[in-house]
Amino acid sequence: GAGVSQSPRYKVAKRGQDVALRCDPISGHVSLFWYQQALGQGPEFLTYFQNEAQLDKSGLPSDRFFAERPEGSVSTLKIQRTQQEDSAVYLCASSLAGGGSDTQYFGPGTRLTVL
Amino acid sequence: SQQGEEDPQALSIQEGENATMNCSYKTSINNLQWYRQNSGRGLVHLILIRSNEREKHSGRLRVTLDTSKKSSSLLITASRAADTASYFCATGGNSGYSTLTFGKGTMLLVSP
Repeated sequence: GAGVSQSPRYKVAKRGQDVALRCDPISGHVSLFWYQQALGQGPEFLTYFQNEAQLDKSGLPSDRFFAERPEGSVSTLKIQRTQQEDSAVYLCASSLAGGGSDTQYFGPGTRLTVL
Repeated sequence: SQQGEEDPQALSIQEGENATMNCSYKTSINNLQWYRQNSGRGLVHLILIRSNEREKHSGRLRVTLDTSKKSSSLLITASRAADTASYFCATGGNSGYSTLTFGKGTMLLVSP
């Protein structure tokens, strides 16, 4: 069965460029999470969607980061005016319901390098 | 910010040996989960232990949880080269949904 997919797998951007990262969750999964993983670190939470509603965006580092999930399935994480400190792997995860004990299934990530 | 902290940061063992990784966390939790991350691949969920459980087994994995000490351990028995990966503990909070708070991970190298 299809898991969580993300595209592109790799993205190189020049500082100041805008980027858009896509996440296709497992079909039927209500909850969708975005995490940022810096080199040598564990993932850090960015934002959470339940269907199309963005219920938590407390982890977004700045207002340059924007995420949406307009139809409750595919999600896009957009970073405007990228900076070198935005270089990281961006992971998307989905879960069936998103309850406290639901397993989150992760995609392979998008490795963003900002030059 | 990272909630958990794994120990050791890196571990190198021979195939067939057991590997033990520890995790400490700071705040109250609903559950604690362990994930594996291979080079170039996403995170794979290994096991979840709830806050009212003390020990859980899954195949060659054994997880313990001590909420009084805010710590957990992951034991991999009879390790294989394919177990080479980074292992992360992640805590789920008490909110209605569960964002995960990860530690920095333990890098495990299993040599043939």
